[in-house]
Amino acid sequence: NAGVTQTPKFQVLKTGQSMTLQCAQDMNHEYMSWYRQDPGMGLRLIHYSVGAGITDQGEVPNGYNVSRSTTEDFPLRLLSAAPSQTSVYFCASSPRGTSPLTEQFFGPGTRLTVL
Amino acid sequence: KQEVTQIPAALSVPEGENLVLNCSFTDSAIYNLQWFRQDPGKGLTSLLLIQSSQREQTSGRLNASLDKSSGRSTLYIAASQPGDSATYLCALQGGSEKLVFGKGTKLTVNP
Repeated sequence: NAGVTQTPKFQVLKTGQSMTLQCAQDMNHEYMSWYRQDPGMGLRLIHYSVGAGITDQGEVPNGYNVSRSTTEDFPLRLLSAAPSQTSVYFCASSPRGTSPLTEQFFGPGTRLTVL
Repeated sequence: KQEVTQIPAALSVPEGENLVLNCSFTDSAIYNLQWFRQDPGKGLTSLLLIQSSQREQTSGRLNASLDKSSGRSTLYIAASQPGDSATYLCALQGGSEKLVFGKGTKLTVNP
């Protein structure tokens, strides 16, 4: 198994551009989520999904869209990039989609810079 | 709103020392608590998951405890090694399918 994969590893955008961060897992996990990690702020939940076709907002959802059309993929879309979205983005997955959640598996991250 | 605090933010110890990392939380109504390790520039690796009904979990030189009544969890690392140097994060699941993270403790183990 490849586990949780994220592409790209690095990305530089200009303000106003849009892009999609890709996340895929091959473990048939129900639960997938996106976090951003900023110095001094820790990891904050952006959006999450408890199964295909189901998504919900986390702590910091503004400026981001998600969809979950398959169990394997959970892309994160930046609609109009802003410098405040400069961050490291992590995708995670977990076997169960219902509480209590089980062990979380993280991808390697995407480092995004918005100029 | 659940808040998770990890103190200290950084810790430096000599090799071989036993050490304790602390995680405190404000709302005791949790499903579980998980400890992670993060190496510089890398993703997070799960170390231990403690369910709400459990009091501790062990894996090798690591032991994590959970005391919901006092809102505390500790990660005990025995006989620390330079390879243990990393940032350690705790995260807990409260009343929904969301994880709340602490800001982490950066551990340096000196040879």
